Amino acid sequence: GEEVAQTPKHLVRGEGQKAKLYCAPIKGHSYVFWYQQVLKNEFKFLISFQNENVFDETGMPKERFSAKCLPNSPCSLEIQATKLEDSAVYFCASSQWASVYNEQFFGPGTRLTVL
Amino acid sequence: KNEVEQSPQNLTAQEGEFITINCSYSVGISALHWLQQHPGGGIVSLFMLSSGKKKHGRLIATINIQEKHSSLHITASHPRDSAVYICAVRETSGSRLTFGEGTQLTVNP
Repeated sequence: GEEVAQTPKHLVRGEGQKAKLYCAPIKGHSYVFWYQQVLKNEFKFLISFQNENVFDETGMPKERFSAKCLPNSPCSLEIQATKLEDSAVYFCASSQWASVYNEQFFGPGTRLTVL
Repeated sequence: KNEVEQSPQNLTAQEGEFITINCSYSVGISALHWLQQHPGGGIVSLFMLSSGKKKHGRLIATINIQEKHSSLHITASHPRDSAVYICAVRETSGSRLTFGEGTQLTVNP
């Protein structure tokens, strides 16, 4: 598509439950980035993919967080056993190249609320 | 100290005023982005800069690589410009973005 699509828009989970977020990049874009926005404007990089391969996962928490980008499927970010501090807006962005020439286009975000 | 710092954190202006938002960074970068986040939460990319100056409508963005500083200017501001403006840099060593804390702009009619 012409825009980055993210689903769901809102997700509410009880502490300890699993949360799964989806991202469909712009058609033709090879790179997908996940960012977490907590507390107003604090953005944190989580992970990036080049097609279905992990490109940079240095921002991913070691436990409970996992992500995939499989061929012909939306990318996903999964949080096992959610905690209160996971409450945030999760943005996905895509770009054609992960280089000096890239511009990242952001999706509308998924607001995760952990109760 | 954050790698990307913006000033001011909050800015209130009257319609028609000229607005400047500043961004300083402490790392080597390959590009700097200015983003706009509206109250609904969506993020729009305004500019991507690696040198010089870019203009789009009433928006102008400049960057000085030697001084590690960028500015976003809005001419003839309008209430619809009210949003959070975020500076984000892409370090030369990678592809991820590192974000500033944003500037909340409110333009009153």
